[in-house]
Amino acid sequence: DAKTTQPTSMDCAEGRAANLPCNHSTISGNEYVYWYRQIHSQGPQYIIHGLKNNETNEMASLIITEDRKSSTLILPHATLRDTAVYYCIVRVAQGGTYKYIFGTGTRLKVLA
Amino acid sequence: GAGVSQTPSNKVTEKGKYVELRCDPISGHTALYWYRQSLGQGPEFLIYFQGTGAADDSGLPNDRFFAVRPEGSVSTLKIQRTERGDSAVYLCASSLTNFETQYFGPGTRLLVL
Repeated sequence: DAKTTQPTSMDCAEGRAANLPCNHSTISGNEYVYWYRQIHSQGPQYIIHGLKNNETNEMASLIITEDRKSSTLILPHATLRDTAVYYCIVRVAQGGTYKYIFGTGTRLKVLA
Repeated sequence: GAGVSQTPSNKVTEKGKYVELRCDPISGHTALYWYRQSLGQGPEFLIYFQGTGAADDSGLPNDRFFAVRPEGSVSTLKIQRTERGDSAVYLCASSLTNFETQYFGPGTRLLVL
């Protein structure tokens, strides 16, 4: 079972910041939070990941609460091309590797 | 640089037939993963290779599914006696090591009639 819960869908106006929340209340101390997105008919695209500190790259910012039980992905200026399903994943150590256990994600629609 | 590639992009087959799906990982990536994604769902783990060996095949649904990676690079997912329920998108991902970020290919859309 996925260790994350996300809203099923969200809308955001073009040019505005999109804030996508994720709850991961059972996360363990050494488990990373990863975010991917999947645009229709494509494979998941890596966005960003973090352990406990906030992270920023050219695509997005990741804010992780101090207790690590939740996080927020921020797309600072959403465009129509950001319309996609966004997956928040807790990477777990299992079976000799680190596994992604996907939930059903948040379907973000950016509106013109 | 080149990303993960998968062929074919689409495959239509008849119930009972055998299919092979191919994955070319990013050059130098030692870890390779196969996932299956049904409509409206997130990807589900099938199998993980470290080098040539299948280190974890716990996600394969039954013994009709098998995967190989003979030279530690290209991998083939093989499905015998296909069933309509096997229809899904099959995704491949690779990472430099099993600790690093996974990068996904575009997937193969399999339709079993």
